[in-house]
Amino acid sequence: NAGVMQNPRHLVRRRGQEARLRCSPMKGHSHVYWYRQLPEEGLKFMVYLQKENIIDESGMPKERFSAEFPKEGPSILRIQQVVRGDSAAYFCASSQDRARYEQYFGPGTRLTVT
Amino acid sequence: QQQVKQSPQSLIVQKGGISIINCAYENTAFDYFPWYQQFPGKGPALLIAIRPDVSEKKEGRFTISFNKSAKQFSLHIMDSQPGDSATYFCAARLYYTSGTYKYIFGTGTRLKVLA
Repeated sequence: NAGVMQNPRHLVRRRGQEARLRCSPMKGHSHVYWYRQLPEEGLKFMVYLQKENIIDESGMPKERFSAEFPKEGPSILRIQQVVRGDSAAYFCASSQDRARYEQYFGPGTRLTVT
Repeated sequence: QQQVKQSPQSLIVQKGGISIINCAYENTAFDYFPWYQQFPGKGPALLIAIRPDVSEKKEGRFTISFNKSAKQFSLHIMDSQPGDSATYFCAARLYYTSGTYKYIFGTGTRLKVLA
């Protein structure tokens, strides 16, 4: 009965490198959400995906950021050419379907850009 | 219109006291209102939630009060304990006619319960 899994838990990247964050939703969940949390701030919605589809990416920066949720495997949030301002905690959450209201969060990946 | 406004930003309560956190919204398309608790270094954990057709929901020491006409809802923590010290987020689910939805979060309240 595993919860939402995220890895790595901590990621350090130098400016200009790529960061790949992975999220495995709870078993049976087909909806995945990514959020960003800056220190001392709230959760900012980034993107909402269902299997093989991006449903809403209105919170995603237009450049350098992309997300996918393939038919098999975890959801990936990819940040290309990272900058110091990308340093934050990135959380993934999953939910089952629209009849199930609850959304469950993973432990997050803390990205530090040096 | 998609905002959820949360207050206060921080709150200090004596052990045994009542902690009250408030949230307000504008969009009547929101159909589900959860509260999350987050400890430092951890992900948010679902605490309690309410649907807009209910005015109050209680689970143990935690109660949500919902005022649909005022578009406000609040979290009450009775008999607050030092272990309740955490950041609390309210949220609202926005349902789209396409059948999809997303969650909008408040900015969080840092609660500290003094022993």
